[in-house]
Amino acid sequence: NAGVTQTPKFQVLKTGQSMTLQCAQDMNHEYMSWYRQDPGMGLRLIHYSVGAGITDQGEVPNGYNVSRSTTEDFPLRLLSAAPSQTSVYFCASQRDTSTDYEQYFGPGTRLTVT
Amino acid sequence: AQTVTQSQPEMSVQEAETVTLSCTYDTSESDYYLFWYKQPPSRQMILVIRQEAYKQQNATENRFSVNFQKAAKSFSLKISDSQLGDAAMYFCAYRSAWGFGNVLHCGSGTQVIVLP
Repeated sequence: NAGVTQTPKFQVLKTGQSMTLQCAQDMNHEYMSWYRQDPGMGLRLIHYSVGAGITDQGEVPNGYNVSRSTTEDFPLRLLSAAPSQTSVYFCASQRDTSTDYEQYFGPGTRLTVT
Repeated sequence: AQTVTQSQPEMSVQEAETVTLSCTYDTSESDYYLFWYKQPPSRQMILVIRQEAYKQQNATENRFSVNFQKAAKSFSLKISDSQLGDAAMYFCAYRSAWGFGNVLHCGSGTQVIVLP
């Protein structure tokens, strides 16, 4: 198992550009989520999904879109990048809420918006 | 809303010594999970230890142990016999046992520096 994979590892965008951060897991996990991590702060939840076709907003959803067309993939789209979105982005997955309560994290994507 | 507070931005420890990281949280729920995650310079988030709120016994994983005080809403991590590889940012995290979302509420982190 590769676990949770994220691409790219690093990305530089100009203000106003759009892009998609990719996240995939091969553990057949139902639950997936996106967090951002800013200096001096812990993780903040952007969006999450409890299964294919089901997504919902987290704590800081503005400026981001997600979709979940398959169990494996959960891409995060930045619609029009802003310097405030400079951060490290983590994708995480979890088997389900009832029996496996550990979240597995991807290696992160460091995004810089100039 | 749940909040997690780590009041120590940085802690130094001599190799082979013991260090304790503090964490407090605020919740009105009775059933939840608590975690400590380690984040080395590689940025990978690694689960160190977890504690179910309904368990009175403190969790232990090799050199890592917690002191869970439910009434005080305190969840400290003790690293014994510290090793150079323990140097990392450590995050305390809370997760509700109910509902959708499984949101992980994290503190701001404590940087652990291990001195040779």
